[in-house]
Amino acid sequence: AQKITQTQPGMFVQEKEAVTLDCTYDTSDPSYGLFWYKQPSSGEMIFLIYQGSYDQQNATEGRYSLNFQKARKSANLVISASQLGDSAMYFCAMRGFKAAVNKLTFGGGTRVLVKP
Amino acid sequence: GAGVSQSPSNKVTEKGKDVELRCDPISGHTALYWYRQSLGQGLEFLIYFQGNSAPDKSGLPSDRFSAERTGGSVSTLTIQRTQQEDSAVYLCASSSTGGAGNQPQHFGDGTRLSIL
Repeated sequence: AQKITQTQPGMFVQEKEAVTLDCTYDTSDPSYGLFWYKQPSSGEMIFLIYQGSYDQQNATEGRYSLNFQKARKSANLVISASQLGDSAMYFCAMRGFKAAVNKLTFGGGTRVLVKP
Repeated sequence: GAGVSQSPSNKVTEKGKDVELRCDPISGHTALYWYRQSLGQGLEFLIYFQGNSAPDKSGLPSDRFSAERTGGSVSTLTIQRTQQEDSAVYLCASSSTGGAGNQPQHFGDGTRLSIL
C-alpha cells in the first residue's frame, strides 16, 4: 500500500518570497515516481513537477523545485519568488512501478495563499 | 481539443436517479483514469483503462459505480441509484502510456455532482 502525508493544511506566504510545501510518503515499491499538482480555485489539476525515485538529481521546473530526500521518504516542493497566481491547493502524489500499479495516490493537499 | 474534456461540468440530480459522466481524453493517450474528489479532500482513485486491457476497477466504491471506454477513447462513468454521499467532483485524467511511470496524468476540469 502507498500513503502520502501532507502535514500543512494551509499556509500564507509573502509575494516574492519562497515557500516549501512538505510531503512525506510510504511505499514498499523499490521504484516509484512522485508528482506535484496545483489546483486553483477554478478546479483544474495542473501538473507541476516529477521526481523519479532513482533520479540522481532533484527535479527543477522553472520556479518549482523538488527537495527529494529518499532516505527520509520526503519530497518537498519549493516554490521560489511566489506570485499572486500561485495561490491554490497543492497536492503531492505518488505512483509505484511494481506490478503495473498505475493509479496515483494523493495526499490531502496544502492550501497556499500568497499575500501582496 | 487540446486537453481532457469532461461533460457536464455540473450535474444536480435527485437521490435515486442514475447519472452518466463523460470523459474525452487527449488524442493519442492510451491510459484513462477516473478519480473522485470530495469537498476539501485529496483525490480518490476509482478506475483505470489501458488500451484494450481489462480495466482496473479496484477503486470503485460499490457496485452502483461502473465505467466503460468505447473504442479506446471516450469513457463514461455511470452511477446508479445515486446517494447523497456520491456528491463530489469527478475528475478524469489521461496519459500517453500506462506503464511508463514518469508520464504525468493530465486532468480535465471535472464534473461537479450534487445529489439532492
